[in-house]
Amino acid sequence: EAQVTQNPRYLITVTGKKLTVTCSQNMNHEYMSWYRQDPGLGLRQIYYSMNVEVTDKGDVPEGYKVSRKEKRNFPLILESPSPNQTSLYFCASSSWRTGGNEQFFGPGTRLTVL
Amino acid sequence: AQKVTQAQTEISVVEKEDVTLDCVYETRDTTYYLFWYKQPPSGELVFLIRRNSFDEQNEISGRYSWNFQKSTSSFNFTITASQVVDSAVYFCALSENEQGGSEKLVFGKGTKLTVNP
Repeated sequence: EAQVTQNPRYLITVTGKKLTVTCSQNMNHEYMSWYRQDPGLGLRQIYYSMNVEVTDKGDVPEGYKVSRKEKRNFPLILESPSPNQTSLYFCASSSWRTGGNEQFFGPGTRLTVL
Repeated sequence: AQKVTQAQTEISVVEKEDVTLDCVYETRDTTYYLFWYKQPPSGELVFLIRRNSFDEQNEISGRYSWNFQKSTSSFNFTITASQVVDSAVYFCALSENEQGGSEKLVFGKGTKLTVNP
């Protein structure tokens, strides 16, 4: 089954404790992206990756890091989480070669930073 | 800059009513793509439709229909004979092929639809 998986689905942590949210897709997609969803703000892009070893900032990259060492994985790293990073996070992937393709979203990770 | 506006923050209807969710977008590109996603209470994002800027045909899928009008930069979504299961947050989104091929989706803030029995 074609899918994007994220782990963990729920996480409660404390300020300053490094964490990683994993994202994996099995569709051989080149393009992967992270979004955060906050009430009243919709979804905003954090980082994206066009392909292996190619990453770039989205609209709200501060406080986040990413890496793309393999095509299928695109982890989101919070080196020193803060309460303002409490949010619902979505990973997405698509094949950009033909443009405008549907982005497949993972199930979301609900992060709470105390 | 790209922008998507969903002016309706919340809509409440009674089952079997028709409801239209508005979406207005801004872009300088001639090639772009429009999407609607549904987010039910369980939280996942469900793809509903994609439209490219060269295809202005309206689309109908069961009780769902979409009206794309470039002249007014709108891509409205209508649910006919609404059902309780339609209760969700609906997002309209715009994608441009940015330089280098980035396909960032710019989302509206969403419209929360509640369908009451």
